[in-house]
Amino acid sequence: DIQMTQSPSSLPASVGDRVTITCRASQSINRHLNWYQQKPGKAPKILIYGASNLQNGVPSRFSGSGSGTDFTLTISSLQPEDFATYYCQQTSTTPPYTFGQGTKLEIK
Amino acid sequence: QLQLQESGPGLVKPSQTLPLTCTVSDGSIISTNYYWGWIRQPPGKGLEWIGHIYFSGRTYYNPSLKSRVTISVDTSENQFSLKLISVTAADTAVYYCARVALYNGWYYFDYWGQGTLVTVSS
Repeated sequence: DIQMTQSPSSLPASVGDRVTITCRASQSINRHLNWYQQKPGKAPKILIYGASNLQNGVPSRFSGSGSGTDFTLTISSLQPEDFATYYCQQTSTTPPYTFGQGTKLEIK
Repeated sequence: QLQLQESGPGLVKPSQTLPLTCTVSDGSIISTNYYWGWIRQPPGKGLEWIGHIYFSGRTYYNPSLKSRVTISVDTSENQFSLKLISVTAADTAVYYCARVALYNGWYYFDYWGQGTLVTVSS
């Protein structure tokens, strides 16, 4: 199975900050990488698919980049509603479609 | 707007079978561009993909659960279902159903149910 490793696990930040979360795959997944946001007690929400494609309705302050094994999610200017847990997920040709362990974005 | 709703028991005894159903509303389960999947999340932990199904019945399972999982689809009811046999406390989790979109070669989970907590306990 392809393992997904996110860093950091926890990220203290302030409103207005630019933040970056990293996701690394144990082998190349081309650009088959998605990012989700999850708030407490809620289902995950898709933000980015195909490494850099912004899902309809997602604010443009979210962006994704990377290919192969290394990927990043960037929030250009943190808003209060962005404090949540973020997960990467690989959906390369062969299941299982594994998730990273999550990065909790916390108020500093 | 598409809606998905999980239903099933909130408590299952160890060694028994966990049955869940996902009802899809405001959209058809019969579509060439979508699959229908299950994901779970143990309390306080991360997400685990269980598997997904195409409306034709073709299934894809997580190898770690494959021996215990069956996902099926009922197109007449616009529903798909999960059965997990021989459950243990480790299967306690919030179970989500979701739509898996296939768009320009990318797979991603674009609509999710609200999730249902299933506890395995005697």
